[in-house]
Amino acid sequence: QKEVEQNSGPLSVPEGAIASLNCTYSDRGSQSFFWYRQYSGKSPELIMFIYSNGDKEDGRFTAQLNKASQYVSLLIRDSQPSDSATYLCAVNMAHRGSTLGRLYFGRGTQLTVWP
Amino acid sequence: GAVVSQHPSWVICKSGTSVKIECRSLDFQATTMFWYRQFPKQSLMLMATSNEGSKATYEQGVEKDKFLINHASLTLSTLTVTSAHPEDSSFYICSARRQGAYEKLFFGSGTQLSVL
Repeated sequence: QKEVEQNSGPLSVPEGAIASLNCTYSDRGSQSFFWYRQYSGKSPELIMFIYSNGDKEDGRFTAQLNKASQYVSLLIRDSQPSDSATYLCAVNMAHRGSTLGRLYFGRGTQLTVWP
Repeated sequence: GAVVSQHPSWVICKSGTSVKIECRSLDFQATTMFWYRQFPKQSLMLMATSNEGSKATYEQGVEKDKFLINHASLTLSTLTVTSAHPEDSSFYICSARRQGAYEKLFFGSGTQLSVL
């Protein structure tokens, strides 16, 4: 079983719509979760992080975490063509040791926002 | 903001040669740096964790003798791919954790390695 799973997509939404990206993880003891955006050939950039169950909002982005279901999602409201990228879910897994920042990534979901 | 510089951005080398990649935190001290490898359309795969002044911790399946990591100062970590072969061709990315910044990572711009 893969430790961090995401639908690879591609996910295609029209401009102005809500894009919903999902991620599941295997380690029930994981405490911190991150969403990164990566453009082709570039390094990832952090969009959001979340530690507690529930929703966390930052501008057009909302991260949702459900530890009981081992599920984390990212919603992008009012999607723009510039949001087109690959979105990576990352988890700091407790069973892999407590080193802060030691993240395990999913394969990413490719998002295309068309005008 | 926190800036991580990674050099070179791309390198082409012959099979059997060694390649060194540098990762520098320009405006902060990085107690821990991480090295990742990414194949096309695949995710970032954590290779090793590098702590300043100590030996790197390698992930399972990563050959420590092939991927030499040195973290001699709080602002510099290097990854040397020894005796590179075509299967080592990949995108290598470093990231750094700033002291006191909990788990926020700052990524370098990546190095595309092509081994002929």
